Amino acid sequence: AQSVSQHNHHVILSEAASLELGCNYSYGGTVNLFWYVQYPGQHLQLLLKYFSGDPLVKGIKGFEAEFIKSKFSFNLRKPSVQWSDTAEYFCAVIYSGAGSYQLTFGKGTKLSVIP
Amino acid sequence: NAGVTQTPKFQVLKTGQSMTLQCAQDMNHEYMSWYRQDPGMGLRLIHYSVGAGITDQGEVPNGYNVSRSTTEDFPLRLLSAAPSQTSVYFCASSYVQGGNGYTFGSGTRLTVV
Repeated sequence: AQSVSQHNHHVILSEAASLELGCNYSYGGTVNLFWYVQYPGQHLQLLLKYFSGDPLVKGIKGFEAEFIKSKFSFNLRKPSVQWSDTAEYFCAVIYSGAGSYQLTFGKGTKLSVIP
Repeated sequence: NAGVTQTPKFQVLKTGQSMTLQCAQDMNHEYMSWYRQDPGMGLRLIHYSVGAGITDQGEVPNGYNVSRSTTEDFPLRLLSAAPSQTSVYFCASSYVQGGNGYTFGSGTRLTVV
């Protein structure tokens, strides 16, 4: 079955530290990739997306992600986190090559940023 | 403002009761879906629809029904609520190709006692 893996369940960082959250997917065909963020008590918001082209994607709030096809990965990065980045982050994939447009989510990574 | 509207925001049900979670979007999106979010489980797809009159099951459809009579609305029905259905439910919509990502509603927090 198609799946999305986020290996870190909870990450704790101090402000100004660099962030990298891992995401791997299981399908070798055409994929559309997303990172969503959920602030406490709120709904999901799109951080960034990748469909094709430049594998380094820049999103909102200083986040970026790199698509590495050979590693089936789409890791999220931010050079310097802020306390306001405390949230849960979800990687998600549409396996469009399989003729489906369903969005499959990873289990999420909670990020806690300590002032 | 354009977006996905979910009602109610909070609901408490007794085991065996029925209810409908409402979802409406005004972006003319063809694709609509329902997810449930449980701690440590991420979001799991319950049902989805690729257009009016067309629905299909997702990963966890048992205990839930849906219908899509209009492009705008996609209600989720719980026919006989169970404590295992205690969760936060999100409705999402997109163009069929999912090209710009999905727009999510603000969620419904459901507790079944």
